[in-house]
Amino acid sequence: KNEVEQSPQNLTAQEGEFITINCSYSVGISALHWLQQHPGGGIVSLFMLSSGKKKHGRLIATINIQEKHSSLHITASHPRDSAVYICAVPDFGNEKLTFGTGTRLTIIP
Amino acid sequence: EAQVTQNPRYLITVTGKKLTVTCSQNMNHEYMSWYRQDPGLGLRQIYYSMNVEVTDKGDVPEGYKVSRKEKRNFPLILESPSPNQTSLYFCASSLESRGRYGYTFGSGTRLTVV
Repeated sequence: KNEVEQSPQNLTAQEGEFITINCSYSVGISALHWLQQHPGGGIVSLFMLSSGKKKHGRLIATINIQEKHSSLHITASHPRDSAVYICAVPDFGNEKLTFGTGTRLTIIP
Repeated sequence: EAQVTQNPRYLITVTGKKLTVTCSQNMNHEYMSWYRQDPGLGLRQIYYSMNVEVTDKGDVPEGYKVSRKEKRNFPLILESPSPNQTSLYFCASSLESRGRYGYTFGSGTRLTVV
């Protein structure tokens, strides 16, 4: 079973700051997912990564397969980015997903 | 609108009273899955289904049953709920099992078992 660790657990920043959230996993994977959970509870898929980097608006996700590590960056952060960010990885050889415990991000105006 | 619909949103029940949480998707997705979310433990997978009549256990399947008789529906059944099943439950679907195109989540069901 893959062990997934996220850091930091909580992050508070001022509006406009550059944000980095990290995710490490223990077993080699084919892909990694980043999810966003809004304060109201709804969950949205942000990225699926198998290599390199992906960008969507102000969000950038990177993955280093050799180091078993992924980062989620937010540029020019805004209070509406306040949410819990969760990474998830599939187990090798089956279709189970294992989740990190999430990073709670708060952006202060 | 493409969506995953879970019902009910909130449910309070008593120990031992069988209940079903429904999940339906309108995107013709092959993969569907159930998760529970608990403070400090994050999301954990209960059961998943690769397609009709194909289901498998996740990490925390004890006390739960599922069925996938039609592609669009994936109900979660608690035959005899207990207080430790009090949690926030999410259903999700994906076009295929690896989530290459991302997952679509339902709005969640907050279950309290007293």
